[in-house]
Amino acid sequence: DGGITQSPKYLFRKEGQNVTLSCEQNLNHDAMYWYRQDPGQGLRLIYYSQIVNDFQKGDIAEGYSVSREKKESFPLTVTSAQKNPTAFYLCASSDHSGGEDEAFFGQGTRLTVV
Amino acid sequence: QQQVKQSPQSLIVQKGGISIINCAYENTAFDYFPWYQQFPGKGPALLIAIRPDVSEKKEGRFTISFNKSAKQFSLHIMDSQPGDSATYFCAARIYNQGGKLIFGQGTELSVKP
Repeated sequence: DGGITQSPKYLFRKEGQNVTLSCEQNLNHDAMYWYRQDPGQGLRLIYYSQIVNDFQKGDIAEGYSVSREKKESFPLTVTSAQKNPTAFYLCASSDHSGGEDEAFFGQGTRLTVV
Repeated sequence: QQQVKQSPQSLIVQKGGISIINCAYENTAFDYFPWYQQFPGKGPALLIAIRPDVSEKKEGRFTISFNKSAKQFSLHIMDSQPGDSATYFCAARIYNQGGKLIFGQGTELSVKP
């Protein structure tokens, strides 16, 4: 099946720890995105990548880092510098061919600071 | 200027009724306006989308109405069903910025039987 796989589904982080969220896609899409979802605030863009070895900051990049070493993978690291990391994190990919290219989302990772 | 404002925040509709969700934007560089449906604990899924050169698009019970001059667009769900109960997000894309989507705040729809 083609799609986007995020893991883990649930993640617990202690204060001061870095954690990495996995995102893998087998849709052969060039573009990948990370969004954060908080109640009542919609989805906010953290980072995005249009091509391997290149990525750009989104609206709320502080406290996060990413890498794009392979086309299929776009992991997100939530660092200890992120002061309020508890949220639902969503990864997406799109063909971005300029038409009505659909963005496909993964099932999300719920991160909780304990 | 890159915001997309969505209303209402929550909506309760009786089964068989019409659900209407509205969105407004400012940036004329947006070139694609999708609507996403999200069930609890799941990722959003594309429901229907429209380009700004079209005033209306219909897919089954779902219709997008687009008013380019007013910079507004809306989702109409006809004959709403309990299975439509979900959170709906409008979004807008800026093509020359990596295809990233700017999302509205979301509308939690509840369809009562």
